[in-house]
Amino acid sequence: GAVVSQHPSWVICKSGTSVKIECRSLDFQATTMFWYRQFPKQSLMLMATSNEGSKATYEQGVEKDKFLINHASLTLSTLTVTSAHPEDSSFYICSARNPGVAVNTEAFFGQGTRLTVV
Amino acid sequence: LAKTTQPISMDSYEGQEVNITCSHNNIATNDYITWYQQFPSQGPRFIIQGYKTKVTNEVASLFIPADRKSSTLSLPRVSLSDTAVYYCLVGDPPQTGANNLFFGTGTRLTVIP
Repeated sequence: GAVVSQHPSWVICKSGTSVKIECRSLDFQATTMFWYRQFPKQSLMLMATSNEGSKATYEQGVEKDKFLINHASLTLSTLTVTSAHPEDSSFYICSARNPGVAVNTEAFFGQGTRLTVV
Repeated sequence: LAKTTQPISMDSYEGQEVNITCSHNNIATNDYITWYQQFPSQGPRFIIQGYKTKVTNEVASLFIPADRKSSTLSLPRVSLSDTAVYYCLVGDPPQTGANNLFFGTGTRLTVIP
């Protein structure tokens, strides 16, 4: 079935540096992908909607200059956490649906990326 | 998007049937009900989806009453590996393209040996 893959699975970075997380749809093209953030023992919070060939749409309270999203191709979206700080440490998850199915009801999620900022 | 309410946590012994109920009083006519499962440090995984009455697949059943203001996920004969967080989501699935999903608090199920 359709698979969404994230890379890396985990990353540790120093405070002030930037980190890029990749999200790929492996066997379908996704014009739209979604980025979530999840803190320990909390639910997933939608951060932004990544649109191929256009600007991402950010949820209220999410800093677009800090969380840069690029969706340059139909199979790849990237999230860059710029000037990371310890409070950005979290579990980041992307998702996409397969638009090639007439009535698609399932969203596929990546395995997540554990970011730790020290 | 309709808001959902679920129990925060549930415990069950191995081999028992587990029923997790989700309330969604403001569900819209076009909304479907979808359940996802999430293990620690993994992305959510689709379990089942339905619109009305009953849906069954190889892992679960979904019961939806006529008024659709609630739904119950039924997991038959749970095992330790079913320990996870279960999310109930309500929304209109897209015909094409993609649509975002908003997650509620979820239900943390712990299966006890």
